[in-house]
Amino acid sequence: EPEVTQTPSHQVTQMGQEVILRCVPISNHLYFYWYRQILGQKVEFLVSFYNNEISEKSEIFDDQFSVERPDGSNFTLKIRSTKLEDSAMYFCASTSGGGIETQYFGPGTRLLVL
Amino acid sequence: EDQVTQSPEALRLQEGESSSLNCSYTVSGLRGLFWYRQDPGKGPEFLFTLYSAGEEKEKERLKATLTKKESFLHITAPKPEDSATYLCAVQPYNTDKLIFGTGTRLQVFP
Repeated sequence: EPEVTQTPSHQVTQMGQEVILRCVPISNHLYFYWYRQILGQKVEFLVSFYNNEISEKSEIFDDQFSVERPDGSNFTLKIRSTKLEDSAMYFCASTSGGGIETQYFGPGTRLLVL
Repeated sequence: EDQVTQSPEALRLQEGESSSLNCSYTVSGLRGLFWYRQDPGKGPEFLFTLYSAGEEKEKERLKATLTKKESFLHITAPKPEDSATYLCAVQPYNTDKLIFGTGTRLQVFP
């Protein structure tokens, strides 16, 4: 069964460093999302991406964040200068169409900023 | 403001003891309500989508129902492998984003 994959599974970084989280969405999917979950808190929407551009972003997704689809299979989230409060699980999700289509989530990347 | 509230926060059941999880929501216009299961350290795993009040969906020991203000996830005769956090999320009109509740952590003991 097709699934969303994410790498790395864990990432430890120093405050101020740049990190890139990678996702391979399900192959025929066209809409891509990033969410994050701070330990013990809700899953929160960060950004949606379609047709090589951001469709929607949350207040969390400030200028320190960027997304890219560098090729036909990968979807990346970059954090330019990490802060302690960026420590969280980051989930990628994808759907075949927008709107009410089911969003399928990857296993997540656990990011720890020291 | 669009909001999702789940209760209880945690639920401990004996194997075979049926129960229900609640998801109350306020949303400007509901496109759909989603239930996901999340195991520790893993991503949300899709269970159900409900679109309109009165709709019901079933999968094995789980049944999800929807009214205009809330959704229930009924668990019939649960087994230890049903232990997980169950997440409810709503999708308002005119957006693709999901708005999640904090989840109900279910533990089923043999």
